[in-house]
Parts: sequence; C-alpha cells; structure tokens
Amino acid sequence: SQTIHQWPATLVQPVGSPLSLECTVEGTSNPNLYWYRQAAGRGLQLLFYSVGIGQISSEVPQNLSASRPQDRQFILSSKKLLLSDSGFYLCAWSSAGNTEAFFGQGTRLTVV
Amino acid sequence: GDSVTQMEGPVTLSEEAFLTINCTYTATGYPSLFWYVQYPGEGLQLLLKATKADDKGSNKGFEATYRKETTSFHLEKGSVQVSDSAVYFCALRTRYNFNKFYFGSGTKLNVKP
Repeated sequence: SQTIHQWPATLVQPVGSPLSLECTVEGTSNPNLYWYRQAAGRGLQLLFYSVGIGQISSEVPQNLSASRPQDRQFILSSKKLLLSDSGFYLCAWSSAGNTEAFFGQGTRLTVV
Repeated sequence: GDSVTQMEGPVTLSEEAFLTINCTYTATGYPSLFWYVQYPGEGLQLLLKATKADDKGSNKGFEATYRKETTSFHLEKGSVQVSDSAVYFCALRTRYNFNKFYFGSGTKLNVKP
C-alpha cells in the first residue's frame, strides 16, 4: 500500500533563517506531488505541484521554492523565512490511477 | 477559473442533529468532487467522493450527491456525533487539468453533547 511521510511535525524557526521540509511517498511510481499551506483559520492554498522529477509548477509568487530531486521526494525550501510564512504545511500525492489526493500529517511551522 | 465555494463556519450542532454543509463549484467540464475531513493537528483524510453527475458518495453515515444542474455537492449526515467535530473541506479535480485540486475554505463543525 501507499504511504506518505512528511517531517518534521513541528518547527519553530527565527525570522531570516532557512527552511527545508521534506516529503516522501512510498508504494507508487511517478506520483503527482503537491505542497499546500493552511494559514490559521483559513483554507488550503496550493503552493507548488510537480508531475515529475525536476518539474515544478508554482501557483503563487512567494518566499518559498520547491524541488523534486527524486521521483518520490518533494522538498519545500526557503532561504530566509518571514513571519508570514508561519502556517500548517501539507504535502499530498495523487496519480492517474486514483482520483483523490492523499495527504501527509502536516508540518506546523512557526516563524518567530 | 475553477473554484469551490463552501459555507462559512463554524457550525455548531447538538449531538444527533442533522448536518448539511453546502458546497458549490465552478469548473470547465465535469470534475471529480470530494469531501475531506481534518481533525485537529492532522492532515486531510478523504471522507467521500463522486466522479460523475448523479453519483452519491457515502462513508461513515455522511453522504453527498453530485448535482450537475446546480453545480453542488452538499455534505449531509442524519445524526452527528461529538466525534464528528472537525473541519470539512470540499474539493474538485478537473478533467482538463488532472494535475490540480481546488479546495474550499473549509467549514469547522462543533458537535456538543
């Protein structure tokens, strides 16, 4: 069966520090991968999605970037965090064989 | 563009009350529709789905019917429990851009004993 792992679960970082969040998927090949952000009390905002290695689509201009160095690995990064980057970050995957998206447990990022 | 609109919360109900959370969508063609549930501090879990018009998705007592004529996918449950307290998200996946999912803003449900 397929599983998705996302870490860390919580993170407190100072303003101006770098960020790296990692997501890996097991049990499937060539998945579509997604990063979403959920600000406090708000809905889901699609940040990036990827349909293959090295292929990244950005949905909104921001202080973040994403990379996909391997088929089932998706990384969210920032060189310098802002206070407004605080939120709950969710990784997800989908495939042509399944209509729905499957989500990781999320990372709670607090920028102080 | 494609989008999902769902009723704002929070929705507060007593245990065993009837639940409706409204969801309407805008999309080119006929999308797949989903309801996800999020418990505090966790990721989203698929609750139910429908992939074509008139389909009814159901799970754990929750139901939603894909209504093409009204572009709606309202979530219902006949008798809610305290354990149903969570945030519920309506979502769609379009057929012309199968790579993207669009989510509503979420509706928080509080069920009181």
